[in-house]
Amino acid sequence: RKEVEQDPGPFNVPEGATVAFNCTYSNSASQSFFWYRQDCRKEPKLLMSVYSSGNEDGRFTAQLNRASQYISLLIRDSKLSDSATYLCVVARNTGNQFYFGTGTSLTVIP
Amino acid sequence: GAGVSQSPSNKVTEKGKDVELRCDPISGHTALYWYRQRLGQGLEFLIYFQGNSAPDKSGLPSDRFSAERTGESVSTLTIQRTQQEDSAVYLCATGGQRTDTQYFGPGTRLTVL
Repeated sequence: RKEVEQDPGPFNVPEGATVAFNCTYSNSASQSFFWYRQDCRKEPKLLMSVYSSGNEDGRFTAQLNRASQYISLLIRDSKLSDSATYLCVVARNTGNQFYFGTGTSLTVIP
Repeated sequence: GAGVSQSPSNKVTEKGKDVELRCDPISGHTALYWYRQRLGQGLEFLIYFQGNSAPDKSGLPSDRFSAERTGESVSTLTIQRTQQEDSAVYLCATGGQRTDTQYFGPGTRLTVL
């Protein structure tokens, strides 16, 4: 079983829509959780860390459900510039190996 | 610059040749990771360095792959006797000792003909 699993999509949504991605992880010992964004032919960049209490950054909201071992990312009021692949990342210990999902592709359509 | 840098940005080589890829970390970052990303695929962990500790080599796909890093300095990833399936983008990421996030370099796009 993969450490991190994501629905690859693609998700095609109109501008202004709300879209949600989920990600599941297999190891209950996982301690750190992140969403990264990767644009086509570019390197991944940290979008946001995911905290147990949930956290919000502008139009982006991340949630963690430890009991069910899943992480979610909600994007409100989608912009064309949100088009990218969103990577779910899980780590067991700070500074140790990170496990990347294969990514969920989002295209925001005018 | 302040970010992670990698060189070369692109490398085209012939099957059977050796290649060396370089990663310059953010100053002060003790953690350094190498990943491989094939076209349309996710990131595949290769190797992890943390300070002067023994590296975690569990992701290296074969003994043709090796990596070196001295202390908190530059790292090199070497692929010997390259094969066509080695064609991919090789990404380096670094992180501080107290941080649990990674900062990626722009990658080296390797094409083996």
